[in-house]
Amino acid sequence: ETGVTQSPTHLIKTRGQQVTLRCSSQSGHNTVSWYQQALGQGPQFIFQYYREEENGRGNFPPRFSGLQFPNYSSELNVNALELDDSALYLCASSAGQGPLSGANVLTFGAGSRLTVL
Amino acid sequence: GQQVMQIPQYQHVQEGEDFTTYCNSSTTLSNIQWYKQRPGGHPVFLIQLVKSGEVKKQKRLTFQFGEAKKNSSLHITATQTTDVGTYFCAGLKNSGGSNYKLTFGKGTLLTVNP
Repeated sequence: ETGVTQSPTHLIKTRGQQVTLRCSSQSGHNTVSWYQQALGQGPQFIFQYYREEENGRGNFPPRFSGLQFPNYSSELNVNALELDDSALYLCASSAGQGPLSGANVLTFGAGSRLTVL
Repeated sequence: GQQVMQIPQYQHVQEGEDFTTYCNSSTTLSNIQWYKQRPGGHPVFLIQLVKSGEVKKQKRLTFQFGEAKKNSSLHITATQTTDVGTYFCAGLKNSGGSNYKLTFGKGTLLTVNP
């Protein structure tokens, strides 16, 4: 089975620009979550997509938006980039939700490292 | 909102010494998961604990979930250089309806001196 793939791996943008990050979920997984990880910090939950709809969001402003496609792949869009947006953006897929099964266990991609100058 | 605290932030040990990291949630959790992130890598799932008081072992790693389902620990016996990395706990909590949110702690960075 294929794992989670993300693109691009690295990119550099300037303040005010917009960026789109892409993620292909692991085969058999229907849920995609996006996390922001600043240097030396734990992953911070941005949002989650299930059946092409956002079904959970962390404390991130509306300029962070996303999409999920019928094949369960996903995009993260960030508008009006700020210096503090520099971070590793991690996509993670899972087989679903629910606390008693392994469905909520996350498989992470290698991440997209964004630098905003 | 839900917070997950981890201590210590850093731990440096000599190879062969034991290591423990502790995780505490401000609210009761549905389950807790542990992930390991090697330097320059991405988080990789280690284990999930669901039941109150649960203890699970993976070779030299022992994971515990507290009776109140608000705290957890990871203990590594006789550390090896391959154990180097950041260990994250992540607490799963119902965020409404059938939605669940996984909140990560800040992690404990373990370095091992050979």
